[in-house]
Amino acid sequence: NAGVMQNPRHLVRRRGQEARLRCSPMKGHSHVYWYRQLPEEGLKFMVYLQKENIIDESGMPKERFSAEFPKEGPSILRIQQVVRGDSAAYFCASSPKLGGYTFGSGTRLTVV
Amino acid sequence: KQEVTQIPAALSVPEGENLVLNCSFTDSAIYNLQWFRQDPGKGLTSLLLIQSSQREQTSGRLNASLDKSSGRSTLYIAASQPGDSATYLCAVPKTSYDKVIFGPGTSLSVIP
Repeated sequence: NAGVMQNPRHLVRRRGQEARLRCSPMKGHSHVYWYRQLPEEGLKFMVYLQKENIIDESGMPKERFSAEFPKEGPSILRIQQVVRGDSAAYFCASSPKLGGYTFGSGTRLTVV
Repeated sequence: KQEVTQIPAALSVPEGENLVLNCSFTDSAIYNLQWFRQDPGKGLTSLLLIQSSQREQTSGRLNASLDKSSGRSTLYIAASQPGDSATYLCAVPKTSYDKVIFGPGTSLSVIP
């Protein structure tokens, strides 16, 4: 079991471009969570998804951000028209039925 | 609304000391509590998971306790080593699948 896989590890985008971050949960986990860690700040919840459903997106910015977890393939966090303030580490986690979260190594997004 | 705090925010100790990190949460209706470690620029590594029905968990030199009624958990690190230097985060979900709320972390530095 390779754990939670995130790619890319590092992503550089120019202002106005789109960023697509991918997360493959642990085998057998059907619940995926995305968190953002801004520089010098704590981890903030963004969105919780199950296969083909968004369960809780209360932490997601209302504009430019979207997330999906299709029936097949990884979960995708999409940021349109990126701005400098989007520069952060984005972490994905998955969870089994009894709780306990396993985090991926994160994607570090830099907007230049 | 669940709020998680951690004390101290930063801690510097000489190698070999035993130390205690504290985590407090405002809503005692938690499913479990998880302690993580984060190295600079890296992802999160799960250290210990305590279910709400448990009082403590141990792993090597680490011992975590949980007092749900008072909204507190402690992480005890015995015989600290320079390799223990990292940021330690506690996190709580309300249910088995709920998003976790993270504390701000304790930044630990163990001096050789």
